Amino acid sequence: EPEVTQTPSHQVTQMGQEVILRCVPISNHLYFYWYRQILGQKVEFLVSFYNNEISEKSEIFDDQFSVERPDGSNFTLKIRSTKLEDSAMYFCASGEAGYQPQHFGDGTRLSIL
Amino acid sequence: AQSVTQLGSHVSVSEGALVLLRCNYSSSVPPYLFWYVQYPNQGLQLLLKYTTGATLVKGINGFEAEFKKSETSFHLTKPSAHMSDAAEYFCAVSDQRRNTPLVFGKGTRLSVIA
Repeated sequence: EPEVTQTPSHQVTQMGQEVILRCVPISNHLYFYWYRQILGQKVEFLVSFYNNEISEKSEIFDDQFSVERPDGSNFTLKIRSTKLEDSAMYFCASGEAGYQPQHFGDGTRLSIL
Repeated sequence: AQSVTQLGSHVSVSEGALVLLRCNYSSSVPPYLFWYVQYPNQGLQLLLKYTTGATLVKGINGFEAEFKKSETSFHLTKPSAHMSDAAEYFCAVSDQRRNTPLVFGKGTRLSVIA
């Protein structure tokens, strides 16, 4: 069964550094999402992406975050200057056009030191 | 705005016993409802979904859930728990516009005792 893949599985970064999280969505999916889960808290929506542009974003997704689909397969989340509170599990998800549900990757655990 | 409340952050059942995980939602528009399961060190796997039509939906691994609009509930059940069901379970809601973001509950950790 096709799956969403995320790399790396664990990223450790110094505060203030830039980090890029990578995702390969399911190949025929057109909608892409990033969610995050701070330890012990609920999964929260960050941003959705369709047709090479952001379709929705949450209040969490401020100017330090950006998303990009640099080629036909990858979907990336960049955090420009990481803060301690960015430590979380970040999940990528993808979905077919006009059809729920979203399929999730295994996540990237981001640890900011 | 939409929200999800999952009653009980931790539920413990004996192997072979009924599993009942509670989910109540709030939505000003007709909702789509989902249950996801997360095994340790893994991502979120869809168990089942309610979009339209039949209010009793069946999912993988013997789970089912019933959409009750009058009670704004979408509780997850399984007649007989198995050790492999031990995991974190998340209820989520979205509205019926295309491909809208999911709003998750805080999750319920299910333990199965032998």
